[in-house]
Amino acid sequence: DSGVTQTPKHLITATGQRVTLRCSPRSGDLSVYWYQQSLDQGLQFLIQYYNGEERAKGNILERFSAQQFPDLHSELNLSSLELGDSALYFCASSGGQINQPQHFGDGTRLSIL
Amino acid sequence: EDKVVQSPLSLVVHEGDTVTLNCSYEVTNFRSLLWYKQEKKAPTFLFMLTSSGIEKKSGRLSSILDKKELFSILNITATQTGDSAVYLCAVCGSGAGSYQLTFGKGTKLSVIP
Repeated sequence: DSGVTQTPKHLITATGQRVTLRCSPRSGDLSVYWYQQSLDQGLQFLIQYYNGEERAKGNILERFSAQQFPDLHSELNLSSLELGDSALYFCASSGGQINQPQHFGDGTRLSIL
Repeated sequence: EDKVVQSPLSLVVHEGDTVTLNCSYEVTNFRSLLWYKQEKKAPTFLFMLTSSGIEKKSGRLSSILDKKELFSILNITATQTGDSAVYLCAVCGSGAGSYQLTFGKGTKLSVIP
């Protein structure tokens, strides 16, 4: 158990809808990272937050947004969903300092019908 | 753009065999290289390597980094069926204060009894 908690584990919805994925980092970790894993693309970095502030953006679509709250949990919002958004979405956390490894949650599997 | 290439993409061995997994990379502002094991869910952290030539070891697993030739290897000795998984290599680099990971596509290891 990595200590990173993601909910829900599975999500099934339709095209055009909006969903929110939630992540609670390990105790003491200030940094949260979101990744998308699809069969053809592998694990792709989406966005990083550190202590409530956005720190870096990767290949995140404009339809996607995230935030980190004062209690350090984070939410990833996906809107106007398309079939191609079906994937496993992982959250990872770390202390946020150099050379601290990221620890991953079990992911949310999103299926768009 | 940071890049990680792993080889082979898949490998089938018998219990007791020794395997070597390869990872080559190109990264701006290298900070570290990490190995993860992914079974059905979350990638599980194995090693973080920052310095060339220093072997990291954990039980039957070991890894080493060559920063001059830009590659790393992960060795698993006396393989067991429980070692069956996808092994992911990732590099941490780029932007000030951002420690996002760029992942390779992984090596799928299958250990046959």
